[in-house]
Amino acid sequence: DGGITQSPKYLFRKEGQNVTLSCEQNLNHDAMYWYRQDPGQGLRLIYYSQIVNDFQKGDIAEGYSVSREKKESFPLTVTSAQKNPTAFYLCASTLGTGELFFGEGSRLTVL
Amino acid sequence: SQQGEEDPQALSIQEGENATMNCSYKTSINNLQWYRQNSGRGLVHLILIRSNEREKHSGRLRVTLDTSKKSSSLLITASRAADTASYFCATDAYSNYQLIWGAGTKLIIKP
Repeated sequence: DGGITQSPKYLFRKEGQNVTLSCEQNLNHDAMYWYRQDPGQGLRLIYYSQIVNDFQKGDIAEGYSVSREKKESFPLTVTSAQKNPTAFYLCASTLGTGELFFGEGSRLTVL
Repeated sequence: SQQGEEDPQALSIQEGENATMNCSYKTSINNLQWYRQNSGRGLVHLILIRSNEREKHSGRLRVTLDTSKKSSSLLITASRAADTASYFCATDAYSNYQLIWGAGTKLIIKP
């Protein structure tokens, strides 16, 4: 079945550590996104990529980094520079028609 | 930058009743989308309505769009316990690749 796979589902980080969240899709979509969701809030865009080897900052890119070396993969690194990283992270992709397909999310907790 | 605002923030109704939630936005759009999110899960696309459409149906869902008032409504008829979720609207104010999200309406269906 086609879809988006995020891993891990739960992740714990000590302060000062970098962590990487994985996002893989087999939908053959060109565009991929990373969103952050905090309790009771909507989605905020961290980074997005329209094609391989290219990506753009979203509204809250500070403290995060991404890469897009393959069409299927768009990993997100939460760096130690992100001062409040505890959140629910969602990866999505689209063909560009508007409709987004989401993964099941990764919940990051800072200890 | 939050474009959409859902109203109400929370809604609790009896199973079988209709549920209506509203979304207001600030700038011109090409289309508006509604998504559902079950607790702790990814978002699922429900329906997309274009700016030249006034009403759209999908099963028990009915979406209306009033571009003059910059608002949309989502009606779920004959609600079921499985409809318990948060519902988000998203608009393409910037481009087809960047959506702007509201904070969502939390819908609880009581058995």
